[in-house]
Amino acid sequence: QKEVEQNSGPLSVPEGAIASLNCTYSDRGSQSFFWYRQYSGKSPELIMFIYSNGDKEDGRFTAQLNKASQYVSLLIRDSQPSDSATYLCAVNGFGNEKLTFGTGTRLTIIP
Amino acid sequence: ETGVTQTPRHLVMGMTNKKSLKCEQHLGHNAMYWYKQSAKKPLELMFVYNFKEQTENNSVPSRFSPECPNSSHLFLHLHTLQPEDSALYLCASSQMAGTYTYEQYFGPGTRLTVT
Repeated sequence: QKEVEQNSGPLSVPEGAIASLNCTYSDRGSQSFFWYRQYSGKSPELIMFIYSNGDKEDGRFTAQLNKASQYVSLLIRDSQPSDSATYLCAVNGFGNEKLTFGTGTRLTIIP
Repeated sequence: ETGVTQTPRHLVMGMTNKKSLKCEQHLGHNAMYWYKQSAKKPLELMFVYNFKEQTENNSVPSRFSPECPNSSHLFLHLHTLQPEDSALYLCASSQMAGTYTYEQYFGPGTRLTVT
């Protein structure tokens, strides 16, 4: 069983709509959760992190965490073509000094 | 310079060459990482350094040799590489408190091609 799972996509969303990206993790002791955006040929860029259950909003981005169900999601409102990228979910477990990354979801925003 | 920098950005080397990748972080972090990202594959953690001490070697072949002289600089020495080692090599840094790591910030990467 993969430790961090994401749907590889591609996920296609019309411009202006809400894009919803999901991630599940296996380590129930995981403490912190991160979303990275990676454009083709570029390095991952941190866009959100969340530590507590519930929602965290930053501009057009909202991260949602549900520790009981072991999933974390990223919502992108008013999607723009520039949001087209691969989104990586990363998780830090209890007593673990490294992040575990998912394989990423490729998102395409259709103009 | 801000954030995490890496040089060179692109490198082409033969299988018998020796080269080094350099990473420098300007964020005041105490941990640094090397990752490998091959085409259409997930990020692979190679090495972790915490306060200059190597704390993780993820079964990386000995033709990759890391060096961390201080908490701001990280090197990856390369020798007798194979064509399958062609990939994007990413450096990252983060702040660690005990065994807990905060968010990692990545450098722009070095695109390595082995011929």
